[in-house]
Amino acid sequence: IQLTQSPSSLSASVGDRVTITCRASQDISTYLAWYQQKPGKAPKVLISAASNLQSGVPSKFSGSGSGTDFTLTISSLQPEDFATYYCQQLNNYPPTFGQGTKVEIK
Amino acid sequence: EVQLVESGGGLVEPGRSLRLSCTASGFTFGDYGVNWIRQAPGKGLEWVGFIGIKPYGGTTEYAASVKGRFTISRDDSKSIAYLQMNSLKTEDSAVYYCTRDNLAAPLLFDYWGQGTLVTVSS
Repeated sequence: IQLTQSPSSLSASVGDRVTITCRASQDISTYLAWYQQKPGKAPKVLISAASNLQSGVPSKFSGSGSGTDFTLTISSLQPEDFATYYCQQLNNYPPTFGQGTKVEIK
Repeated sequence: EVQLVESGGGLVEPGRSLRLSCTASGFTFGDYGVNWIRQAPGKGLEWVGFIGIKPYGGTTEYAASVKGRFTISRDDSKSIAYLQMNSLKTEDSAVYYCTRDNLAAPLLFDYWGQGTLVTVSS
């Protein structure tokens, strides 16, 4: 299953609302997770099952979607949110990731 | 506290072998499957393979790109998972992470190690 994220990168300002999309090549129901990765660090899971916020993750992050189209939204971008974000499908083997969306400071 | 620590990375020539280790602590290792995921420099994430728990046969799964060259095993008495990498290619150069399986959501990678860098070059 191929996952296509858009955009590949974006520039945004502190306080902006940011939306990243992930499209799957086939129906994956809600078997989708979102990860945040900062330079030199391992990824951190933000959202599972398309919209379930992981424990300890700020509520400014939200996810939605089902089937083939998904979104990750950051309601008010803060300096610590500048990172690369990946979607991942958990529907079947092999698990696959989107190519990533790099969120940079404008 | 759940901790995963990878080790064994380094510089290796094409065609040679390398074995990575993933040492776990803070949980009952034998109750969880382990995945390996890699990230080439400046690139995205690629799942490498998985090993299940012994009561279910310790089943393994591999990405097509490494099948037949890489082998995952585990030693529950030492809380270590291994990634044996043979016939290495330059395109295997990456940071290799191990992750713990999530019992409620298989293939959700909620605990990661810090990664170990493998460089395949002559």
